[in-house]
Amino acid sequence: DQQVKQNSPSLSVQEGRISILNCDYTNSMFDYFLWYKKYPAEGPTFLISISSIKDKNEDGRFTVFLNKSAKHLSLHIVPSQPGDSAVYFCAASALEYGGSQGNLIFGKGTKLSVKP
Amino acid sequence: DGGITQSPKYLFRKEGQNVTLSCEQNLNHDAMYWYRQDPGQGLRLIYYSQIVNDFQKGDIAEGYSVSREKKESFPLTVTSAQKNPTAFYLCASSIGSGMYEQYFGPGTRLTVT
Repeated sequence: DQQVKQNSPSLSVQEGRISILNCDYTNSMFDYFLWYKKYPAEGPTFLISISSIKDKNEDGRFTVFLNKSAKHLSLHIVPSQPGDSAVYFCAASALEYGGSQGNLIFGKGTKLSVKP
Repeated sequence: DGGITQSPKYLFRKEGQNVTLSCEQNLNHDAMYWYRQDPGQGLRLIYYSQIVNDFQKGDIAEGYSVSREKKESFPLTVTSAQKNPTAFYLCASSIGSGMYEQYFGPGTRLTVT
């Protein structure tokens, strides 16, 4: 059973437009959410995070929105640039989750392609 | 420069051999993690360590072993008992467990034939 779901394996967007990547979760105990960006054959790099006490966090071109009632979060990239083309992973954490104390649960990722 | 290093980048082994993947960090982080990534899959947790001389199994620990004798180092051994060892292995660290970002190394691609 997947606790963190990224239902779109891929997304294609024109340069300059908005990219919206979605993530759903099932475990209401999750209280911290992160987005990572990953290029092929490299480790993921941290992009942005949000605590469950907030519904929005913004950092430059990246904004993450959290809808706790819907158990849904999204990452908005505005404007999208060709260098944003990568796989984006959503991850969730719960301080008291199965004794693991905050380990990250990752979605399967969404491959974003930004076309010039 | 602070960061996480994994070596080697690519590793080839024959079936039946144990192999150890290196992970070193100079970020002074307490927690370290090992993940595995397969094509079309997210990252799955193999083992984690919140403090020196202590480690816990993750979701897919069977066929793997770790040690944490030093804060900076968290080597992963892929044993011959691991049925599908060919994968991309990622090491990560964080200041502590809980609501902290994890920072990843560049990964090691292991191919077992």
